[in-house]
Amino acid sequence: DQQVKQNSPSLSVQEGRISILNCDYTNSMFDYFLWYKKYPAEGPTFLISISSIKDKNEDGRFTVFLNKSAKHLSLHIVPSQPGDSAVYFCAASGNNFNKFYFGSGTKLNVKP
Amino acid sequence: GAGVSQTPSNKVTEKGKYVELRCDPISGHTALYWYRQSLGQGPEFLIYFQGTGAADDSGLPNDRFFAVRPEGSVSTLKIQRTERGDSAVYLCASSLTARSSYNSPLHFGNGTRLTVT
Repeated sequence: DQQVKQNSPSLSVQEGRISILNCDYTNSMFDYFLWYKKYPAEGPTFLISISSIKDKNEDGRFTVFLNKSAKHLSLHIVPSQPGDSAVYFCAASGNNFNKFYFGSGTKLNVKP
Repeated sequence: GAGVSQTPSNKVTEKGKYVELRCDPISGHTALYWYRQSLGQGPEFLIYFQGTGAADDSGLPNDRFFAVRPEGSVSTLKIQRTERGDSAVYLCASSLTARSSYNSPLHFGNGTRLTVT
């Protein structure tokens, strides 16, 4: 059973525009959410996180939004740059868990 | 500082053989995780170590898979009697604290791509 879902396998946006990547989860016990970025032949790299006590966390061009009632989070990248082209994974966990659960990823292509 | 190091980066083996995959975590990180990633999927949890002990091995698919971390630092994932279905990228990650908690994300290595022919 997939506890973290990314329903869009791919997304294409124009350079300079906003990229919005979405993620849904099913377990209401999750209280820590993360986004990872992955380039080919490399491991996932931590990008940004949010705890359940917040509904927004911003770091430069990257903002994560959390909607607990909808069990939904999203990553906004603005402005998008060609170097942002990668696979993005969302992940979730919490104090009652020893592990992080990952979605299946969304491949972002930012066109110059 | 140095990140998580995994060796080898690629491993090709024949069906039925034994393989060992090594992970060197970030110095000072007490928690170490093994994940497996198949094509088109996200990382899938295998096992978690807190110090030297396996605190959670519920993700190991069967008893052909085993992992150790004898001195609380380097870890080895061992796969016996490999099968073609074991082919995947095996990712190791470490984090500063024992449990999944705020401000303690996983830091991944580049993985070992295992191919069983």
